Amino acid sequence: AQTVTQSQPEMSVQEAETVTLSCTYDTSESDYYLFWYKQPPSRQMILVIRQEAYKQQNATENRFSVNFQKAAKSFSLKISDSQLGDAAMYFCAYRSYTGTASKLTFGTGTRLQVTL
Amino acid sequence: ETGVTQSPTHLIKTRGQQVTLRCSSQSGHNTVSWYQQALGQGPQFIFQYYREEENGRGNFPPRFSGLQFPNYSSELNVNALELDDSALYLCASSLRSGGRDGYTFGSGTRLTVV
Repeated sequence: AQTVTQSQPEMSVQEAETVTLSCTYDTSESDYYLFWYKQPPSRQMILVIRQEAYKQQNATENRFSVNFQKAAKSFSLKISDSQLGDAAMYFCAYRSYTGTASKLTFGTGTRLQVTL
Repeated sequence: ETGVTQSPTHLIKTRGQQVTLRCSSQSGHNTVSWYQQALGQGPQFIFQYYREEENGRGNFPPRFSGLQFPNYSSELNVNALELDDSALYLCASSLRSGGRDGYTFGSGTRLTVV
């Protein structure tokens, strides 16, 4: 079974600085998707960025980028020029299948604080 | 394009009761998944519905059941509620594979069992 590990329960970053959130996963598959989701106090899971495993190029979405190391099974999220609105829980997730259903397996999350 | 809507937002039930949670999927999405998120944890996959049938289930007992309707909306039913069922229940809609276009989540239903 796939597992996702986020080893940083909490992180703090100053406004305008850069922070990196860590995620490792375990899988025997060769092709898969990885995601970072943001969950603010409104509770809605918001997609931040996705990475297809067969693509060697790291995904980038504006201030958000990933460092995808397939051999090491590592998928970290870098947030540049941090803003107060970035404060939230961040979850790393792996897409797999159970039966014919696609499902996400989430890590336990990292709470990001953004300070002035 | 409408997002995913869940109702109700909050619910308090007594142990042993039954509850129904509702979800309207995003326009264009044909698949609905349900997740349970306990306090301080990541969401756990309950099951997924596609073409009105359950096509995959996580490690949840049969008292967790669901429906999907022709308009792709969905219900999650939980019978014989237990205290440990207290959690945030999230609905996510997608196209079937979910990978390329991702999953769109609702804001969840906070269920408290007393």
